[in-house]
Amino acid sequence: AQTVTQSQPEMSVQEAETVTLSCTYDTSESDYYLFWYKQPPSRQMILVIRQEAYKQQNATENRFSVNFQKAAKSFSLKISDSQLGDAAMYFCAQTIIQGAQKLVFGQGTRLTINP
Amino acid sequence: KAGVTQTPRYLIKTRGQQVTLSCSPISGHRSVSWYQQTPGQGLQFLFEYFSETQRNKGNFPGRFSGRQFSNSRSEMNVSTLELGDSALYLCASTAGGYRTEAFFGQGTRLTVV
Repeated sequence: AQTVTQSQPEMSVQEAETVTLSCTYDTSESDYYLFWYKQPPSRQMILVIRQEAYKQQNATENRFSVNFQKAAKSFSLKISDSQLGDAAMYFCAQTIIQGAQKLVFGQGTRLTINP
Repeated sequence: KAGVTQTPRYLIKTRGQQVTLSCSPISGHRSVSWYQQTPGQGLQFLFEYFSETQRNKGNFPGRFSGRQFSNSRSEMNVSTLELGDSALYLCASTAGGYRTEAFFGQGTRLTVV
């Protein structure tokens, strides 16, 4: 069975600084995708970044990057130069490649940006 | 390109009633998934449809059902509503291949009183 765990219910960071959100997962599958989604107060889930398990190179999207450690089943998100608009709930999620499109989410981390 | 559209945005229902929620995916997307989000249980997968066929179902009672039409629009139905069904219901669409990300709608907030 797939599980995703986010051990930090809340995090806060000063504007312009860097913050790292943690995520661990468990799966018996060898091929899968990992995602970080952002959910602002509007409630719409927005994809931040994704990582294919077969790729060793860590994904990067502008100020957002991941540290993917496949052997440790760890997938952390680093936000550089934090901005007020980054304040939101962040969810780590996993989907396996075979079978239906089904995301398994972590419990979420609420990120606060202090001006 | 229009995003995923969910209607209605808000609903208030009484215990015992039934409700139908609608999701229109991004044009060209053939897969639609539904998720329930509550403060206690977080985000939980309900079911996924692809080309009018249910491919996978989460661990929810039979009161939760869905369907997909030939234009890929999907509906989910909850019968005999319970207080615990109060939640944000999110719909996501993907192009249908295995290696694509899910795009979410803004959700339907259901309150059961």
